[in-house]
Amino acid sequence: AQKVTQAQTEISVVEKEDVTLDCVYETRDTTYYLFWYKQPPSGELVFLIRRNSFDEQNEISGRYSWNFQKSTSSFNFTITASQVVDSAVYFCALRGGYSTLTFGKGTMLLVSP
Amino acid sequence: EAQVTQNPRYLITVTGKKLTVTCSQNMNHEYMSWYRQDPGLGLRQIYYSMNVEVTDKGDVPEGYKVSRKEKRNFPLILESPSPNQTSLYFCASSDLAGGFGEQFFGPGTRLTVL
Repeated sequence: AQKVTQAQTEISVVEKEDVTLDCVYETRDTTYYLFWYKQPPSGELVFLIRRNSFDEQNEISGRYSWNFQKSTSSFNFTITASQVVDSAVYFCALRGGYSTLTFGKGTMLLVSP
Repeated sequence: EAQVTQNPRYLITVTGKKLTVTCSQNMNHEYMSWYRQDPGLGLRQIYYSMNVEVTDKGDVPEGYKVSRKEKRNFPLILESPSPNQTSLYFCASSDLAGGFGEQFFGPGTRLTVL
């Protein structure tokens, strides 16, 4: 069975701090996809990124960056210079083979001014 | 506008009274799925559908049924709801076959079973 662990339940930072959200996964599949989603206080789920298992390049999108390391089965998410609008619950998810899409339990990020 | 819609958005019901939550997408996606979100548990997949007339169980299918008679619709049926099915439900569709793409989520349905 596959598994996604987000060990950080809640993180509090002050605006402009950098913050990294950890995601560790387990799967027996050689082909799989990893995702990050954001759930702001309004409740909708917003797609942030998809990465397949064959692409270990790190990705940067504005203040967001993702570090994928197969050797440690991790797919960490960093927000640089955090802003209050980044306050949300962030979910990491894994889709392996023809199995279910498995989400982590989420990390609540609180950015205070 | 490309979207996934769910109805109703809020529902309070009583134990044992059958209910259906509708889900519809206008993006011609083959893959659709249902999730429930509970505090401290994240999102868990209930059922998914690879295409019309093809459905399969997710991680928490007990107490739920689904059907996929048309590509755009994927209703979630609770034939005899119980209080432990009180939850926030999300429908989603995916832009790649097999569900490997981005999940487009509906706005959610908050269900309370008394």
